[in-house]
Amino acid sequence: QKEVEQNSGPLSVPEGAIASLNCTYSDRGSQSFFWYRQYSGKSPELIMFIYSNGDKEDGRFTAQLNKASQYVSLLIRDSQPSDSATYLCAVNVNTGTASKLTFGTGTRLQVTL
Amino acid sequence: GAVVSQHPSRVICKSGTSVKIECRSLDFQATTMFWYRQFPKKSLMLMATSNEGSKATYEQGVEKDKFLINHASLTLSTLTVTSAHPEDSSFYICSARALAASYNEQFFGPGTRLTVL
Repeated sequence: QKEVEQNSGPLSVPEGAIASLNCTYSDRGSQSFFWYRQYSGKSPELIMFIYSNGDKEDGRFTAQLNKASQYVSLLIRDSQPSDSATYLCAVNVNTGTASKLTFGTGTRLQVTL
Repeated sequence: GAVVSQHPSRVICKSGTSVKIECRSLDFQATTMFWYRQFPKKSLMLMATSNEGSKATYEQGVEKDKFLINHASLTLSTLTVTSAHPEDSSFYICSARALAASYNEQFFGPGTRLTVL
């Protein structure tokens, strides 16, 4: 079982719609969760992170976390063509002496005109 | 804030040569830096974790003698690909975690595209 799972997509949404991106993780001890956006040929850019159950909003983005279900999602409201990118979910894993992020394979989002 | 730079952005080299990539945190101190590689249309693969003033921790399957990492200061880590071969061609990306990071958030550099001929 993969540690962090995402649907690879592509997820296609029309401009102005809400895009919903989902991620599940296997390590119940994970404490912080991150969403990164990666444009083709570029490096990942941190959008937001969440560590408490519930919702966290930042502009058009809302992260949702449900630790009981081991599920984290990202909602993008009023989707724009510039939101078209691959969205990477990352989970912080503590391995005793080290702390590192484990990434999902990413979901490709296409916002159509 | 939280800007990370990488140099060079692109490098083309001949097989057998060594290539050094620099990663700098520009506006914060980073106790830990991470080195990833990414193949086309694939996810990030963590290669090693670099802590300032100590030896890097390599992920399973990553040759430490081939990928030399030095983290000499709180703002600079370097990755040297020794005796590069065509199969080392990839997108190498570093990230940095700030000294004051509360939730282990990492910020990525722009990446270095390595092509070995």
